[in-house]
Amino acid sequence: GEDVEQSLFLSVREGDSSVINCTYTDSSSTYLYWYKQEPGAGLQLLTYIFSNMDMKQDQRLTVLLNKKDKHLSLRIADTQTGDSAIYFCAESIRGGKLIFGQGTELSVKP
Amino acid sequence: GAVVSQHPSWVICKSGTSVKIECRSLDFQATTMFWYRQFPKQSLMLMATSNEGSKATYEQGVEKDKFLINHASLTLSTLTVTSAHPEDSSFYICSAFIDSTDTQYFGPGTRLTVL
Repeated sequence: GEDVEQSLFLSVREGDSSVINCTYTDSSSTYLYWYKQEPGAGLQLLTYIFSNMDMKQDQRLTVLLNKKDKHLSLRIADTQTGDSAIYFCAESIRGGKLIFGQGTELSVKP
Repeated sequence: GAVVSQHPSWVICKSGTSVKIECRSLDFQATTMFWYRQFPKQSLMLMATSNEGSKATYEQGVEKDKFLINHASLTLSTLTVTSAHPEDSSFYICSAFIDSTDTQYFGPGTRLTVL
């Protein structure tokens, strides 16, 4: 079945780059997504990448996709304390459904 | 654009009562909306797919008689938790799906606490 895996925690210092990794299993996924969730809030779409792309950059965010290894990463440059949150990767499957990873809790220390 | 609202944002109820949660797409129409639940420190689990004008499709293990879904219009879906019990306490999140971009936009969530 479909499965998405993420590491659970990441701690970085303010100003450093953060890299959050994700692996997925469904090779037929059309899009892969990164969402951000702050405490007690819903999910905010950060970025997404079409499955035939290798990389997508959007300001401080860089998404890398290795389709062969089914590996997705999100790099946040110049990480700020306001970036502290839980980050979910998700793959789209049939009918628009999303399968989410467990979420990576990013802690940014001043 | 692409704003989704949920109402209420939080609710506390007694065991045995029913609770209705609304999900609205504010500036776009969505033929499909999804309902998720999230337990503390856990990921989102898809409960059901809500389609305008037809019956919802429930994921395995989700009781359709307990979690009633109505997709009344292209901008509104409701989830009713019937005869709620403490184990139904959770964070319920809806999303609205835009076909053309294959993207879901999420509501802010509803925190349900059943005493």
